[in-house]
Amino acid sequence: DAGVTQSPTHLIKTRGQQVTLRCSPKSGHDTVSWYQQALGQGPQFIFQYYEEEERQRGNFPDRFSGHQFPNYSSELNVNALLLGDSALYLCASSLLAVGDTQYFGPGTRLTVL
Amino acid sequence: EDQVTQSPEALRLQEGESSSLNCSYTVSGLRGLFWYRQDPGKGPEFLFTLYSAGEEKEKERLKATLTKKESFLHITAPKPEDSATYLCAVQAGDNTDKLIFGTGTRLQVFP
Repeated sequence: DAGVTQSPTHLIKTRGQQVTLRCSPKSGHDTVSWYQQALGQGPQFIFQYYEEEERQRGNFPDRFSGHQFPNYSSELNVNALLLGDSALYLCASSLLAVGDTQYFGPGTRLTVL
Repeated sequence: EDQVTQSPEALRLQEGESSSLNCSYTVSGLRGLFWYRQDPGKGPEFLFTLYSAGEEKEKERLKATLTKKESFLHITAPKPEDSATYLCAVQAGDNTDKLIFGTGTRLQVFP
């Protein structure tokens, strides 16, 4: 049973560029949440997708956007990158009907120079 | 505002030396409290979910407990492979699944 997968593993961008991160949920899950984790901090909730729509959003600017596809996979897009966007980006999947445990992928390490 | 605080920030233990990690929370309408283990540069690995005060769960050398204000993760006779950052998170309120995390406890177990 495949767990949550994310790509790419690492990414280096320069300020002002745009980036797209990808996530495939755990088999049987229909909900994807994205988190940003700065070094030494706990993950911060960005948004959650269910049925191809943004269901909830945390305190992140509109530069952060997402998408969910019919196969439940998801993308996180960040525009106009800032140095402060450097972080580990985590995708978590869950089953909305159960509504509890979220299982995390390995993350994408984004470095903005 | 919902808040999660973990202590200590870092903990060094000798192999076999049992201890406890603390997670205190201030939230409106707790729906669940979660413990995760995170190795450096990796994603969090799910350990336990606790739903109500008095609940306890165990897995190998780990035992999680929950009260109305805090949760403890007890580590019995730890081994070096238990070295990791342990994260606590809560889900609170209606119509939201977002996890609110603490900053974690970095555990190092020496042989």
